[in-house]
Amino acid sequence: NAGVTQTPKFRILKIGQSMTLQCTQDMNHNYMYWYRQDPGMGLKLIYYSVGAGITDKGEVPNGYNVSRSTTEDFPLRLELAAPSQTSVYFCASERQTNTGELFFGEGSRLTVL
Amino acid sequence: GENVEQHPSTLSVQEGDSAVIKCTYSDSASNYFPWYKQELGKRPQLIIDIRSNVGEKKDQRIAVTLNKTAKHFSLHITETQPEDSAVYFCAVSSSDYKLSFGAGTTVTVRA
Repeated sequence: NAGVTQTPKFRILKIGQSMTLQCTQDMNHNYMYWYRQDPGMGLKLIYYSVGAGITDKGEVPNGYNVSRSTTEDFPLRLELAAPSQTSVYFCASERQTNTGELFFGEGSRLTVL
Repeated sequence: GENVEQHPSTLSVQEGDSAVIKCTYSDSASNYFPWYKQELGKRPQLIIDIRSNVGEKKDQRIAVTLNKTAKHFSLHITETQPEDSAVYFCAVSSSDYKLSFGAGTTVTVRA
């Protein structure tokens, strides 16, 4: 199993550009999450999904969109990138909620200039 | 999300000494408390967790204690080694079953 795979690992965007962070998992997990990690701030939940076709907002959803057309894939879309979106983004999956381990991807470092 | 406070933000210990990190939470209905370790440039990984029906759990050199009355839980690392240097995050699963993370503690083990 590859686990949770995120792409790209690094990206530099100009203000106003758009991009999609890809996330895929091969563990047949129902629950998937997107977090952003800022220095000294821990991990903040952006969006999550409890299964294919179902998504919901987390703590900091503004400026982002997600979709979940399959169990495996959970892409995160940034529209009109802003400097405040400079961060490290982690995708994670879980077999079902509150069961234990979140499996994280390797992270995507995004810089908006 | 739930308010989770984690202290200290940085911790420097001599190799072989113990390290303790404490987290407090606000929702008395919270029932699951994991700890994640993130090495520099790596992904967070679960190292130990505890549920609300247990007061303490140990796994080799690490242990977690939970005080539900006071709404705090702590990570204890004994006989610290250089490979224990990392950022440690506590997390709390509250009534909506989503995890809220603390801000992290950077632990440095001095040789």
